[in-house]
Amino acid sequence: NAGVTQTPKFRILKIGQSMTLQCTQDMNHNYMYWYRQDPGMGLKLIYYSVGAGITDKGEVPNGYNVSRSTTEDFPLRLELAAPSQTSVYFCASSPGGGARYTFGSGTRLTVV
Amino acid sequence: EDQVTQSPEALRLQEGESSSLNCSYTVSGLRGLFWYRQDPGKGPEFLFTLYSAGEEKEKERLKATLTKKESFLHITAPKPEDSATYLCAVQAGYGGATNKLIFGTGTLLAVQP
Repeated sequence: NAGVTQTPKFRILKIGQSMTLQCTQDMNHNYMYWYRQDPGMGLKLIYYSVGAGITDKGEVPNGYNVSRSTTEDFPLRLELAAPSQTSVYFCASSPGGGARYTFGSGTRLTVV
Repeated sequence: EDQVTQSPEALRLQEGESSSLNCSYTVSGLRGLFWYRQDPGKGPEFLFTLYSAGEEKEKERLKATLTKKESFLHITAPKPEDSATYLCAVQAGYGGATNKLIFGTGTLLAVQP
């Protein structure tokens, strides 16, 4: 059972480039989340989804977009990358409200 | 505004030296308080969920407790393999994204042999 799988693990982008961070879960969880983690700042919610076709903004959504066409996949799109988007990105899923999250191993992104 | 504060930021213990980590919170309707462990280069790993004041949960050398304003993670006779960052998160009951977790900044624990 793989759980939550994130790819790539590392990526360096130039300012203005775009990329998609992939997230797949095999637990049939309805809820999926994207967080970013910066040193000393804690995990901040970017976007979340409560099911296929339903997404909503979190605390820090600017500069990002998401889609949820299937239960399994929840990709995060960065358009026009900026240095402020240098961070570690975590995808997580949960079976429902009030349930514990299962996190992926993260994507470390550097924008130069 | 919902807020989670963890202290201390960092803690260094000798093997076998028991201590406690603190998580204080202010939320509009607590639905649950979560403790996670995070090892370097990895995602957070779930430890405990507490739902009401007075509740306690235990796992090996760890025990989590909850009051109306804070939670403690007690570490009894720690070993070097307990070294990690411990994250506290709360789930609030009102507003949008009612399933979202609000995380503290974590306590970095180092246990020396």
